[in-house]
Amino acid sequence: DAKTTQPPSMDCAEGRAANLPCNHSTISGNEYVYWYRQIHSQGPQYIIHGLKNNETNEMASLIITEDRKSSTLILPHATLRDTAVYYCIVRAPTGNQFYFGTGTSLTVIP
Amino acid sequence: GAGVSQSPRYKVAKRGQDVALRCDPISGHVSLFWYQQALGQGPEFLTYFQNEAQLDKSGLPSDRFFAERPEGSVSTLKIQRTQQEDSAVYLCASSFVGGQGEQYFGPGTRLTVT
Repeated sequence: DAKTTQPPSMDCAEGRAANLPCNHSTISGNEYVYWYRQIHSQGPQYIIHGLKNNETNEMASLIITEDRKSSTLILPHATLRDTAVYYCIVRAPTGNQFYFGTGTSLTVIP
Repeated sequence: GAGVSQSPRYKVAKRGQDVALRCDPISGHVSLFWYQQALGQGPEFLTYFQNEAQLDKSGLPSDRFFAERPEGSVSTLKIQRTQQEDSAVYLCASSFVGGQGEQYFGPGTRLTVT
């Protein structure tokens, strides 16, 4: 599975959009991009995933560049409860495990 | 409905003791995964079951680590002769489809070896 690169930390003002970038320049054509987050002392929580089209659900939007070498997770109106470590993961459909890396620690500031 | 549950939530073991960590996956989920998360790091894969079959154990760090899922539901991760470097949070996840869908994680068991 392709490796991903994320900034180690980011801040975002409460109520503003949080845009979390991820680079996955070696992604293969059949690999999906997944986003999970982990709030302190909890297990990781699924947010969203996509292959090449942009995706949106009740939690977030996922924007994948046309060349699929990078993506951005957007939390449209960040709240204090969105403070967490966000992991960007790429995985092939036949893959079983997720490679989490170290993620981005997002702090939402009041 | 109920999510993935793990027990105990916290375990303190003296070096050399054996420990057993339990995972109850979401009912009906075919696949079950164990991960190890060291402090400040992301989770790292240990092993994967599809029903009762252990299809991948490539992440188990040594032969002191053993996992089982005899009836295809509850799973136990056993660590024999614990060492200090085994101190970590052990996470269990389950998914409905065979390893390919999103995984739902439990809260983890924090193991501290003294």
